[in-house]
Amino acid sequence: RKEVEQDPGPFNVPEGATVAFNCTYSNSASQSFFWYRQDCRKEPKLLMSVYSSGNEDGRFTAQLNRASQYISLLIRDSKLSDSATYLCVVRNTGGFKTIFGAGTRLFVKA
Amino acid sequence: GAVVSQHPSWVICKSGTSVKIECRSLDFQATTMFWYRQFPKQSLMLMATSNEGSKATYEQGVEKDKFLINHASLTLSTLTVTSAHPEDSSFYICSARDGQAMFWGLKETQYFGPGTRLLVL
Repeated sequence: RKEVEQDPGPFNVPEGATVAFNCTYSNSASQSFFWYRQDCRKEPKLLMSVYSSGNEDGRFTAQLNRASQYISLLIRDSKLSDSATYLCVVRNTGGFKTIFGAGTRLFVKA
Repeated sequence: GAVVSQHPSWVICKSGTSVKIECRSLDFQATTMFWYRQFPKQSLMLMATSNEGSKATYEQGVEKDKFLINHASLTLSTLTVTSAHPEDSSFYICSARDGQAMFWGLKETQYFGPGTRLLVL
């Protein structure tokens, strides 16, 4: 079983749609959680950290459920520029080791 | 924000050639840097953790004699792909760890370089 699992997609949605991505992780000792965005042929860029209380940044909302070892990302009012691969990232205790999920591809169409 | 650079951004070489990739933290000192590899349509896979002044820690399945890592200073880590073969063709990305003392403790952030595309013919 992979340490971090995501639905690879692709998700094809129209502009303005709301889309949700899910991610599960296997190590219950994992300490920090993030969503990264990666555009084609580019390095990943931090989108947002994920906190237990849930957090929102504009159109993006992230949730963490430690009991179920589950992370989600909700994108409201999708824009064409949101088209990218979204990576679920987990950082484990000790050593600052970061584990990336395989990513979920999103295509937003006009 | 902090910047991490990589050089070169593109490499095309013949099979059997050794290729050296540099990763630099431009405005902070990084005691720890990480090297990742990403094949098309796959996730980033951590290859090794590079610690300044000591030997790198390699992930399972990564050949340390094939992928030589040197972290000679607090701002520079290098990855050398020795005797590269076509199956080594990939996107290599480094990241650097920046720790900032805050009033509440230590804030640690990971910054990624822009990546190096290696194509071995």
